[in-house]
This record gives sequence, C-alpha cells and structure tokens, in this order.
Amino acid sequence: QQKVQQSPESLIVPEGGMASLNCTFSDRNSQYFWWYRQHSGEGPKALMSIFSNGDKKEGRFTAHLNKASLHVSLHIKDSQPSDSALYFCAVMSNYNVLYFGSGTKLTVEP
Amino acid sequence: DPKIIQKPKYLVAVTGSEKILICEQYLGHNAMYWYRQSAKKPLEFMFSYSYQKLMDNQTASSRFQPQSSKKNHLDLQITALKPDDSATYFCASSHRNSDYTFGSGTRLLVI
Repeated sequence: QQKVQQSPESLIVPEGGMASLNCTFSDRNSQYFWWYRQHSGEGPKALMSIFSNGDKKEGRFTAHLNKASLHVSLHIKDSQPSDSALYFCAVMSNYNVLYFGSGTKLTVEP
Repeated sequence: DPKIIQKPKYLVAVTGSEKILICEQYLGHNAMYWYRQSAKKPLEFMFSYSYQKLMDNQTASSRFQPQSSKKNHLDLQITALKPDDSATYFCASSHRNSDYTFGSGTRLLVI
C-alpha cells in the first residue's frame, strides 16, 4: 500500500516569505500527484496537480516532482495570511484512490 | 451552491447505536469515495465506488457499510458505534485520474 509522508508537521513563515512543503511516497509506479489545502471547518480543496518530473508554476505556487527520488514539494512565494491552512500531499494509486500524507500546518504571520 | 452535499453536518451518537451519513454529488462524476479524518489518522481512505460498484475497501471493520441507491448517492451506514469512530467523515467524487471534490464533512461524536 502507498505510504505518503510529509514534512514539516508545522511551519510558520512571515507574510511575504517563502513556504516550502515536502512529501515522499513509496510506490515507484505512481504517476499522479496533487496538493490539497484545507481550511478549518471545511473539506480539502485541490490546489494543484503535477504529473511530470520538474516544476509546475501556478501564480505564487510552484510544485516540483522528482519521481526517481520519490519526492514532491510545494513552494509558496510571497506567502499571505490567507494561505494559513493545512496542506496535504496526495498520490493516486492504480485504482483511482488518492492516498494523503499527514499534512503540514502552515501559519503565515502578518 | 454546494456541489457535494453531506448531511448531517454534526452528529452525536450513543455508543452501540447505528447512524447513516448521507452524501449526494451534483458534478456528474462516476466515482465516489469516503474518507475519515481524525487526530490520529488524517484523511484515511475508506471506500471507493465507480458506477455504483464497490472498487476498493480499506476499512477493516464490517460495521462500516456504504450504500449506493442512485449513481450520485453514496451513503455510509455505521453500526455498533464506538467512541473511536468519532471523526469527521468526508465524501468525495471524481472522474478517472482527475482531482477529487470533497464535501464539507459530517462531524461525528460518539459518547
């Protein structure tokens, strides 16, 4: 079964700073990866996906995938207080099931 | 308008009782899922359904039974409730290989 591990568990960055979140997965055959964000009291919402090795940029968010090292990361540039949330890395199995990491709690301090 | 409706939003149950969590999606997706989120195991996969058929079940206990009466419905029946079942239960839906859309969850407290 897919194992997904995230680090750090929590992260505090100043407003305008860079937040870097990391994720490792166990199944070398994995092909589809997502980052989800969850605000308190809500369900998780998909932030961005990445399917190919390298970087994918969407606005202030950049995802990086390295399948050989079983690693995916998310970098948030110019962090805003509204970015404060729980962030999950998710990896899709062959049966369309998403396996989630344990999450990184991001706090952006004004 | 919410695309995935989960009812009820909050639920308090007595140990040993039975409850049904409701989920309806209006996205036209063919796959639906149940996940559980608690302090001990964040976003734990429970079941997946595709075209109303069970595809994967990673819930050890038979006390948890999904029920799909229509293609856009996937309810979750939980019997013989235990305090350890206390968690937020999320329903989600997707097309194949696409991102999931999650509902807002049902927060279950078993006392």
